[in-house]
Amino acid sequence: EPEVTQTPSHQVTQMGQEVILRCVPISNHLYFYWYRQILGQKVEFLVSFYNNEISEKSEIFDDQFSVERPDGSNFTLKIRSTKLEDSAMYFCASSESSRTGVHGYTFGSGTRLTVV
Amino acid sequence: SQKIEQNSEALNIQEGKTATLTCNYTNYSPAYLQWYRQDPGRGPVFLLLIRENEKEKRKERLKVTFDTTLKQSLFHITASQPADSATYLCSTTHGSSNTGKLIFGQGTTLQVKP
Repeated sequence: EPEVTQTPSHQVTQMGQEVILRCVPISNHLYFYWYRQILGQKVEFLVSFYNNEISEKSEIFDDQFSVERPDGSNFTLKIRSTKLEDSAMYFCASSESSRTGVHGYTFGSGTRLTVV
Repeated sequence: SQKIEQNSEALNIQEGKTATLTCNYTNYSPAYLQWYRQDPGRGPVFLLLIRENEKEKRKERLKVTFDTTLKQSLFHITASQPADSATYLCSTTHGSSNTGKLIFGQGTTLQVKP
């Protein structure tokens, strides 16, 4: 069964440093997303991406964050000048359409980001 | 804005029994609701989607209902097994967003005891 692959699985970074989280969505999917989950809290939407541009972003997704699809397979989330409160699980997801149909969204296993 | 509310208390049941989890939404009736399973340290895994005009949807031992009058969806696992122990998330799209943005409930943790 097709999977969304995320790397690394765990990233530890110093406060103020930049991190790049990487994702390989399912190949025939057109919509890509980043979500995050702070320990013990809800899964929160960060950004959706379609046709090589951001289609929607949340209030969390400020100038500190950026996304890119540098080639035909990778989808990255860059966090600049990390803060302690950025520590969370970051999930990449993809879908065939924004209207999901019967297939829902496919999430990756996540990257656990720890800012120290 | 739309909110998804799930019982944050853990649900403990005996193996073989039926587990019933509740999801309530607070505002407009969404076009559909989705249910996901999440294991510790893992990403959500899609289980079922039910549309507004569907009263019930089944998949193997899973059943989801959608009651627009009560603004509620129920998620049932029949003949539960210890392997069903996980957190179950209810979600829907936000407003009239056509961008696929999902909002999630807090999730209900199910523990099935042998």
